[in-house]
Amino acid sequence: GNSVTQMEGPVTLSEEAFLTINCTYTATGYPSLFWYVQYPGEGLQLLLKATKADDKGSNKGFEATYRKETTSFHLEKGSVQVSDSAVYFCALISGGSYIPTFGRGTSLIVHP
Amino acid sequence: KAGVTQTPRYLIKTRGQQVTLSCSPISGHRSVSWYQQTPGQGLQFLFEYFSETQRNKGNFPGRFSGRQFSNSRSEMNVSTLELGDSALYLCASSKTGQGEPNEKLFFGSGTQLSVL
Repeated sequence: GNSVTQMEGPVTLSEEAFLTINCTYTATGYPSLFWYVQYPGEGLQLLLKATKADDKGSNKGFEATYRKETTSFHLEKGSVQVSDSAVYFCALISGGSYIPTFGRGTSLIVHP
Repeated sequence: KAGVTQTPRYLIKTRGQQVTLSCSPISGHRSVSWYQQTPGQGLQFLFEYFSETQRNKGNFPGRFSGRQFSNSRSEMNVSTLELGDSALYLCASSKTGQGEPNEKLFFGSGTQLSVL
């Protein structure tokens, strides 16, 4: 079946530091990959997505590249801000099912 | 355009009771899905409704049920509550739920259920 593995959190960084949150997946067929963000007290919001190998999704300074050879979709940002503090979820859709499979989420805490 | 609205925002119940949660999707969205979010398990899919029919179901016991009305609003019900049912319950809506390339899933802020 489908599964998504994310690095354990929390990830704690100082403002302007470089961010990487690792995500690897197992899926049938060729999945579409997503990153969602959940700010405190809110639901999830789609941050970015990639639908085929070597695609790069980007939004709000965040980027992730669909790497089929390593089955990975790592999230990166060059310079984080305090306002980026949130929980980040990696997810995929694959195998004829349109229900996303989510990772467990990685909490990011950014200090001033 | 109003977002996905979930009510109530917080609920406190005791073991053995039942609870009903409500979700109003974005206008025009016909697919509504429900998720349970806990620190230990992350996001777990409960079920998805489309045009008043349950189209997909996750691996939860029969105590968890739902329905969808003709206006696409959805409710989920949990009977005989257990301590382990304490969680944030999230509802999400989309136009068709068929994973079209440009279709997005919109989440509500959730209902935080505490079972004592």
